[in-house]
Amino acid sequence: EAQVTQNPRYLITVTGKKLTVTCSQNMNHEYMSWYRQDPGLGLRQIYYSMNVEVTDKGDVPEGYKVSRKEKRNFPLILESPSPNQTSLYFCASSSLGTVNEQFFGPGTRLTVL
Amino acid sequence: AQKITQTQPGMFVQEKEAVTLDCTYDTSDQSYGLFWYKQPSSGEMIFLIYQGSYDEQNATEGRYSLNFQKARKSANLVISASQLGDSAMYFCAMRPDSNYQLIWGAGTKLIIKP
Repeated sequence: EAQVTQNPRYLITVTGKKLTVTCSQNMNHEYMSWYRQDPGLGLRQIYYSMNVEVTDKGDVPEGYKVSRKEKRNFPLILESPSPNQTSLYFCASSSLGTVNEQFFGPGTRLTVL
Repeated sequence: AQKITQTQPGMFVQEKEAVTLDCTYDTSDQSYGLFWYKQPSSGEMIFLIYQGSYDEQNATEGRYSLNFQKARKSANLVISASQLGDSAMYFCAMRPDSNYQLIWGAGTKLIIKP
């Protein structure tokens, strides 16, 4: 089954404790992206990647890191989480091309105390 | 600046009625794509429909259609014969063809009443 997986689905942590949210897709997509969703703000892009070893900042990259060492994986790293990073996080992927929609993972609900 | 505006934070619609969700966009790109996604209470993002800026016909997918008015920069989603399962958040998004970044609206919460 074609899918984007994220782990963990739920995470409660404390300020300053490094964490990684994993994202993996099995569709051989070149493009991958991380979003955060906050009430009333829609989705905002954190980072994206057009291919292996190619990453770029989105609209809200501060406090986040990513890497793209393999085509299928695109982990999101919070080196020192803060309460304002409490949010719902989505990973998405798509092939490159005009029409292609982005496929989304199930989301990771993160709470930073 | 590129922007998506969804002016309806919430809507109540009677079951079986048609509903139109508004979306206007702003971009200086000549070539772009417009997307609608549905987010039920369970949280997942479900792709509904796509419209390319150069497509001459309005996109349709089952009960979903996109009322695309390029001159007015609007891309409204029309759901025909609404069902209780249509209750969800609906997001409009735009992707300029010059890059792959999706720009999102704030969403409309649709509630279908029995």
